[in-house]
Amino acid sequence: EVQLVESGGGLVQTGRSLRLSCAASGLTFSNTWMSWVRQAAGKGLEWVGLIKRKADGGTTHYAAPVNGRFSISRDDATNTLYLHMNGLKTEDTAVYYCAAGATGFDHWGQGTLVTVSS
Amino acid sequence: DIVMTQSPDSLAVSLGERATINCKSSQSVLYSYNNKNYLAWYQQKPGQPPKLLISWASTRESGVPDRFSGSESGTDFTLTISSLQAEDVAVYYCHQYYTTPWTFGQGTKVEIK
Repeated sequence: EVQLVESGGGLVQTGRSLRLSCAASGLTFSNTWMSWVRQAAGKGLEWVGLIKRKADGGTTHYAAPVNGRFSISRDDATNTLYLHMNGLKTEDTAVYYCAAGATGFDHWGQGTLVTVSS
Repeated sequence: DIVMTQSPDSLAVSLGERATINCKSSQSVLYSYNNKNYLAWYQQKPGQPPKLLISWASTRESGVPDRFSGSESGTDFTLTISSLQAEDVAVYYCHQYYTTPWTFGQGTKVEIK
């Protein structure tokens, strides 16, 4: 069974940094494109960014609202995905999901809540 | 960026009746080399993460009931629930993975009439 477990969310002040983690099991993590998707309370889904598998270059891509502030990394040795968030803004407040897949997100975590307060 | 526009924003359908959700992409999401539309549909129930229902616009995922189907016509995509069940109450999203930034539709809420 595939499991994606996010952690690291919490309450943070504007301008500060936070790192989210996503522990993966039950899938060949190193062979999987991974993304972060967020959802503000009562709102729709917003893709944050992705990291390709190393065989595809391991490159990262980001949505415009987070480009330059957020970065995604992966540790294939520990099957862990990271989201490094800097310069947090109140509009970054959301549940952050990690999601697996390159052709649709086959698997999702339960999400971790990030609240940015001024 | 490719904009995905869903319609309607919400709909109420009687149990056993058909529900139809539309999604229009602002540009083609069809790759000519494999003739596939890079379009997925998800179902999200309250308090849960989304669940992948359909990929490649019309390929149902394993375990998804066959009352769910996807179709396409150019840049117009449709998710159909042929006979609405109580457990289908949810918000449905389309998603293009043709090119980054990947984008979602705004969601369509399906309720029981």
